[in-house]
Amino acid sequence: EVQLVESGGGVVQPGRSLKVSCAASGFTFSDYTMAWVRQAPKKGLEWVATLSYDGSRIYYRDSVRGRFTISRDNGKSTLYLQMDSLRSEDTATYYCAGVTGGFDYWGQGVMVTVSS
Amino acid sequence: DIQMTQSPSSMSVSLGDTVTITCRASQDVGIYVNWFQQKPGKSPRRLIYRVTNLADGVPSRFSGSRSGSDYSLTISSLESEDVADYHCLQYDEYPRTFGGGTKLELK
Repeated sequence: EVQLVESGGGVVQPGRSLKVSCAASGFTFSDYTMAWVRQAPKKGLEWVATLSYDGSRIYYRDSVRGRFTISRDNGKSTLYLQMDSLRSEDTATYYCAGVTGGFDYWGQGVMVTVSS
Repeated sequence: DIQMTQSPSSMSVSLGDTVTITCRASQDVGIYVNWFQQKPGKSPRRLIYRVTNLADGVPSRFSGSRSGSDYSLTISSLESEDVADYHCLQYDEYPRTFGGGTKLELK
């Protein structure tokens, strides 16, 4: 059974940093391009970043480029999102997703709240 | 950026209805459109991939289609478990973009 389990969310002050993780199991993580997608409270889905299976290709949405860093450890089957210089508009549930099959796998999400 | 204009944003439905939700792409996105279902407090579930393909385990009352730049999700004979939010996604170009979502509510 495929599982993506996010962790590391919480409440953080504006301008501070937070790192969320996504532990994968049940599929060959090292073969899978992965992404982060977020959803602000009562809003739609918003793609954040994508990282290729081997780490060679990285894509970010404009509003997070230079502040967020997507990375992976294939040996640990884990995806990460380092979020720096956080803003109130980054408040959202962050989902990790398996992309290779067309966004076929999703985690349960982790809540990140940016507030003073 | 490619805009996916989704309509309607909400819809009042009855059990047994046939429901159609549409996303209009602002540029050509070819076959790279998926549809997702999301229930309250849950993560999205892929229903349709590459416009018309039914994902594993998805009931056959769900179908996807394309007419020009309009991509549609149709639910035939709506069941109570289908009351949820629905989202389209284009993954032809970066940034990947979702439609604004459609909320189905029972009359």
